[in-house]
Amino acid sequence: EIVMTQSPATLSVSPGERVPLSCRASQSVGRNLAWYQQKPGQTPRLLIFGASTRPTGVPARFSGSESGAEFTLTISSLQSEDLGVYYCQQYNSWPYTFGQGTKLEI
Amino acid sequence: QEQLVESGGGVVQPGGSLRLSCAASGFTFKKYAMHWVRQAPGKGLDWVAFMSYDGGSVYYADSVEGRFTISRDNSKDTLYLQMNNLRLEDTAVYHCARGLSSSQQVWGQGTPVTVSS
Repeated sequence: EIVMTQSPATLSVSPGERVPLSCRASQSVGRNLAWYQQKPGQTPRLLIFGASTRPTGVPARFSGSESGAEFTLTISSLQSEDLGVYYCQQYNSWPYTFGQGTKLEI
Repeated sequence: QEQLVESGGGVVQPGGSLRLSCAASGFTFKKYAMHWVRQAPGKGLDWVAFMSYDGGSVYYADSVEGRFTISRDNSKDTLYLQMNNLRLEDTAVYHCARGLSSSQQVWGQGTPVTVSS
């Protein structure tokens, strides 16, 4: 099983700040990685797939990058509505696995 | 509008069984692979099971292998999860989801399962 490790677990942020979130895979997942945002009481929202592709409707301030087994989701200028928990997920091999999440809070 | 609606959750004793259903609408269900994902209270997302569009391929998380069975009825646009020998740690909201390896994702709101004595 591929273990996805996200850091940090919690991040205190301020509006307007540039925020990088990290996700590391225990073995290669290629570019088969997705990022999700989840707010309390809501289902996860897909932000990035294929490591760096934004689905239609996702704001341009969200971007994804990859360097080997290290993946980064960057919020270029944090908005108040961006608070919540962010998860990475690999879909390169079975079983699919999620990271444990990074919580953004003020 | 593409939609997934889960049902069948409830309270069950350890060792008991439940069958969850996921009704799809607004899209051609038989063309899509489907997943179950769960989330324990206050915890993160936990992938549970996968079934291909035609039922020919299935995969499970190690934690549920041998206890849970995913199935589908394409004539009824419905996905199922049969859960046997339930454990306390299976307590979670169970979501069905489409397209976890693509941008064409749809998630249901989930059905809660509580395993308690």
